[in-house]
Amino acid sequence: GAGVSQSPSNKVTEKGKDVELRCDPISGHTALYWYRQSLGQGLEFLIYFQGNSAPDKSGLPSDRFSAERTGGSVSTLTIQRTQQEDSAVYLCASSFPGAPGAFFGQGTRLTVV
Amino acid sequence: GQNIDQPTEMTATEGAIVQINCTYQTSGFNGLFWYQQHAGEAPTFLSYNVLDGLEEKGRFSSFLSRSKGYSYLLLKELQMKDSASYLCAVPLTGGGNKLTFGTGTQLKVEL
Repeated sequence: GAGVSQSPSNKVTEKGKDVELRCDPISGHTALYWYRQSLGQGLEFLIYFQGNSAPDKSGLPSDRFSAERTGGSVSTLTIQRTQQEDSAVYLCASSFPGAPGAFFGQGTRLTVV
Repeated sequence: GQNIDQPTEMTATEGAIVQINCTYQTSGFNGLFWYQQHAGEAPTFLSYNVLDGLEEKGRFSSFLSRSKGYSYLLLKELQMKDSASYLCAVPLTGGGNKLTFGTGTQLKVEL
């Protein structure tokens, strides 16, 4: 596709359930990032994939969060046993390695009730 | 660690010039980014400064002073569509587009 695609655009889930968020980066972009944006907060880095290297998970807030990137393209962010504080917009971005500036998707708005 | 400070809100008039300031503290400097984010939309990349001075790109310019830990985004000939949040960001350890962002400056352009 022409841009970074994320699905679903909105997700409402019950506390304690697991959720999976999907990101389809721009074709050819080997760098992929996940961020989250909570109300009134700045974007918070979660995890970074670069090619076939081991991901940089330094931003994941707890072990309930994990992410995979299959075949160097599509990525899935999984949140297990969701909590209300996980409610946020989860944004995915991609870029060419070393190129300043990433392209963001529209995000998935997650609401945990 | 990194710390970024920028004003929460600004208001300006259509056709005018506005300067949005950002101060930062980093353990190592690897450039400074500005992004624009309209309400409910994805952030879009505006500029990247790694050297001191002013970089001009159409109506938008970005300035950096590394010795002062200071940057600003200058918007000229303001248009209503420039109403958005402007995000200042610096790279985390590991660099690239792995960034820490400020909370953003909400700019409102009025007639």
